[in-house]
Amino acid sequence: QKEVEQNSGPLSVPEGAIASLNCTYSDRGSQSFFWYRQYSGKSPELIMFIYSNGDKEDGRFTAQLNKASQYVSLLIRDSQPSDSATYLCAVRRGSTLGRLYFGRGTQLTVWP
Amino acid sequence: EPEVTQTPSHQVTQMGQEVILRCVPISNHLYFYWYRQILGQKVEFLVSFYNNEISEKSEIFDDQFSVERPDGSNFTLKIRSTKLEDSAMYFCASSTSQSYNEQFFGPGTRLTVL
Repeated sequence: QKEVEQNSGPLSVPEGAIASLNCTYSDRGSQSFFWYRQYSGKSPELIMFIYSNGDKEDGRFTAQLNKASQYVSLLIRDSQPSDSATYLCAVRRGSTLGRLYFGRGTQLTVWP
Repeated sequence: EPEVTQTPSHQVTQMGQEVILRCVPISNHLYFYWYRQILGQKVEFLVSFYNNEISEKSEIFDDQFSVERPDGSNFTLKIRSTKLEDSAMYFCASSTSQSYNEQFFGPGTRLTVL
């Protein structure tokens, strides 16, 4: 079973729409969850992190965590063409120190 | 804004050669990491480092790999005898703690093994 799973996409949304990105994880003891954005050929850039069940909002981004369902999501409101990138979900398991487990990423395209 | 830096940006080497990838973590960070990403694949953890010793390593991080903090600012990854399958982007990251704090990634070094 894969540690972290994401739909690979591509996910395509029009400018101004809401983009919804999903991630599931296998280790029920996982404690912290991160969303990174990666432009082609570039390094992962941290967007948001979430530790507690519920929603966390930061500007146009909202992370949602449901530990019972082992599910974390990222909503991007008012999507812009500059949001077009691959979005990586990363999880820190409770049994590890700092190691992050990454999903394969979801490719998002926002068309004008 | 402080950032993680890495050198070189691109390294080409022959199979069997040794390479050293260099990183300068963010100055007040205490925990350092190496990850790699083979083209088209997911980001994979290699090793974490704290207080001048390895705190965790993955199954990828075998005897061919080593890490070092030779001075107060640099953090290096050495691959002793490179293989074709070591070709990847290598990312250095740093954080203020291992528990809940976020890891910030450097721009990466693209390693090409011929």
